[in-house]
Amino acid sequence: DVKVTQSSRYLVKRTGEKVFLECVQDMDHENMFWYRQDPGLGLRLIYFSYDVKMKEKGDIPEGYSVSREKKERFSLILESASTNQTSMYLCASSWYNEQFFGPGTRLTVL
Amino acid sequence: QQQVKQSPQSLIVQKGGISIINCAYENTAFDYFPWYQQFPGKGPALLIAIRPDVSEKKEGRFTISFNKSAKQFSLHIMDSQPGDSATYFCAASDQIQGAQKLVFGQGTRLTINP
Repeated sequence: DVKVTQSSRYLVKRTGEKVFLECVQDMDHENMFWYRQDPGLGLRLIYFSYDVKMKEKGDIPEGYSVSREKKERFSLILESASTNQTSMYLCASSWYNEQFFGPGTRLTVL
Repeated sequence: QQQVKQSPQSLIVQKGGISIINCAYENTAFDYFPWYQQFPGKGPALLIAIRPDVSEKKEGRFTISFNKSAKQFSLHIMDSQPGDSATYFCAASDQIQGAQKLVFGQGTRLTINP
């Protein structure tokens, strides 16, 4: 089975902190994605990566950056966390058309 | 601007009934329309998907109906069961840099009453 793991299920940070969310996939997928999920808004794409060290902005990249140094690992970085970044963050990797999601990290910024 | 609009936001159906969730899209470049199912505490998982060259796809109790001219598609769950209670997301995609980029609807929380 494809497995996408995220480093934390729950995370609490303070405003202004630098936050790292880690995602690892074990199926050698080329493409990886970061979404945030908010009630009533569905899933919104933050960034995606189609190859190692390659990245593309999604629909809501402001306040975020990403890093992909190895094929299996895709990191989301909040440079200076703000309260409006409190959300559920979902990582995914894809094989052709199907995206496989991790369990999510619920981030609270105080 | 929400490119994929989903309704209703929540839905309650009796066991054995038919659950229907609707989606509408704007971008005619979309070429793949999946539905994802999400249980509490889990990430979404692909349920069923359709391409715009067919009008219907059925997998077990789940059917997608697709109307290209109206730019609408819907998910029908026949003989709905309590185990179908979950949040459902429609999505639409196009290819960017070889990656399938998905745009999701707002989600529908489905509750099946026993």
